[in-house]
Amino acid sequence: AQTVTQSQPEMSVQEAETVTLSCTYDTSESDYYLFWYKQPPSRQMILVIRQEAYKQQNATENRFSVNFQKAAKSFSLKISDSQLGDAAMYFCAYRIPPYNNDMRFGAGTRLTVKP
Amino acid sequence: KAGVTQTPRYLIKTRGQQVTLSCSPISGHRSVSWYQQTPGQGLQFLFEYFSETQRNKGNFPGRFSGRQFSNSRSEMNVSTLELGDSALYLCASMPGLPSYEQYFGPGTRLTVT
Repeated sequence: AQTVTQSQPEMSVQEAETVTLSCTYDTSESDYYLFWYKQPPSRQMILVIRQEAYKQQNATENRFSVNFQKAAKSFSLKISDSQLGDAAMYFCAYRIPPYNNDMRFGAGTRLTVKP
Repeated sequence: KAGVTQTPRYLIKTRGQQVTLSCSPISGHRSVSWYQQTPGQGLQFLFEYFSETQRNKGNFPGRFSGRQFSNSRSEMNVSTLELGDSALYLCASMPGLPSYEQYFGPGTRLTVT
């Protein structure tokens, strides 16, 4: 079974600083998608960034970037220049394409941003 | 485009009752997935519907069922409610295939007393 592990239940960062959230996953598949979702107190899950396993280049979306290590099955999220609005639960997720929409989520990391 | 909408946003039911939750996907999206989110179990996949057919199913008892209509709107039903069914139920839609990300609704908070 595919599992996703987020080893940091809580993280804290000072505004304008950089923070890295960890995620590891376990799969025997060679082709899959990885995602980071953000869930603020409003509860709406918002996609932060995605990575296709066949792509070696790490994905980047503005202040958000990932460090994808396929051999190590590691997918960490780096948030640069942290802002107060970044405070939320962050979930790492995994899905096997193309027809399986069974997304597996990690337990989440609660990120606090200190002013 | 309007986002994914879920109704109702909050619901309180009694053990033994049944409940129906509704999800309207983004216009043009044909896939709708349902997830249960609890503090203890986290986010768990319930099932996915595509073109009115259940395409994938998670590991939940038969009390949990769903359906999708021709306009892609989906409903989820839970019969004989148990206290452990108290959760946030999230719906997510996708355009179809191939596709990558799901777009989530705000969720329905179900409390079973």
